[in-house]
Amino acid sequence: SAVISQKPSRDICQRGTSLTIQCQVDSQVTMMFWYRQQPGQSLTLIATANQGSEATYESGFVIDKFPISRPNLTFSTLTVSNMSPEDSSIYLCSVVLVRGEGLTDTQYFGPGTRLTVL
Amino acid sequence: SQELEQSPQSLIVQEGKNLTINCTSSKTLYGLYWYKQKYGEGLIFLMMLQKGGEEKSHEKITAKLDEKKQQSSLHITASQPSHAGIYLCGAYGINNAGNMLTFGGGTRLMVKP
Repeated sequence: SAVISQKPSRDICQRGTSLTIQCQVDSQVTMMFWYRQQPGQSLTLIATANQGSEATYESGFVIDKFPISRPNLTFSTLTVSNMSPEDSSIYLCSVVLVRGEGLTDTQYFGPGTRLTVL
Repeated sequence: SQELEQSPQSLIVQEGKNLTINCTSSKTLYGLYWYKQKYGEGLIFLMMLQKGGEEKSHEKITAKLDEKKQQSSLHITASQPSHAGIYLCGAYGINNAGNMLTFGGGTRLMVKP
């Protein structure tokens, strides 16, 4: 299994500011992702955090708004830039542990960061 | 529209009652996951189903995957307030997402004491 921690667990921010969320995993993982869960909605994948290269963003998400760093196989950061109230969400870090050929991988999620933008 | 359809979207039950949540896909599922999210907290992995007809249980929660591997149900027996939360089903390979989990819309469960 993988144990994932996120900092901060929650924050209240002013419009126009930026917040960086940290994700730490207790083991080296190849695949690490960032999700967003807006109030009352299901999870939406923001991007795949690639170690040593630029993150891969899903449709509707851009690097200028959500810059991501992945300096090593156990750590990543997501920055929410120039925030607006519409960015109020829970942001979740996630990793996939590859179990091997013929076996289904298992995905684990961090506890989330609850962001409120005023 | 969601490739994974969950029903119902929300559910309010009296403590002690049984309930069922459904997750349906138009495609064959290769690995179906159930997660629970308590309000304001992160996701908790409940169980994973892979084989057609597979059934798994954990405490008072039972999940099944049908023979065609297109529908899964999550059944809670004798519900308790601690069961309250959002239940999400997830599957790989939906929307050509490869190794990524795609989630259903979630079912919000409230248990009245």
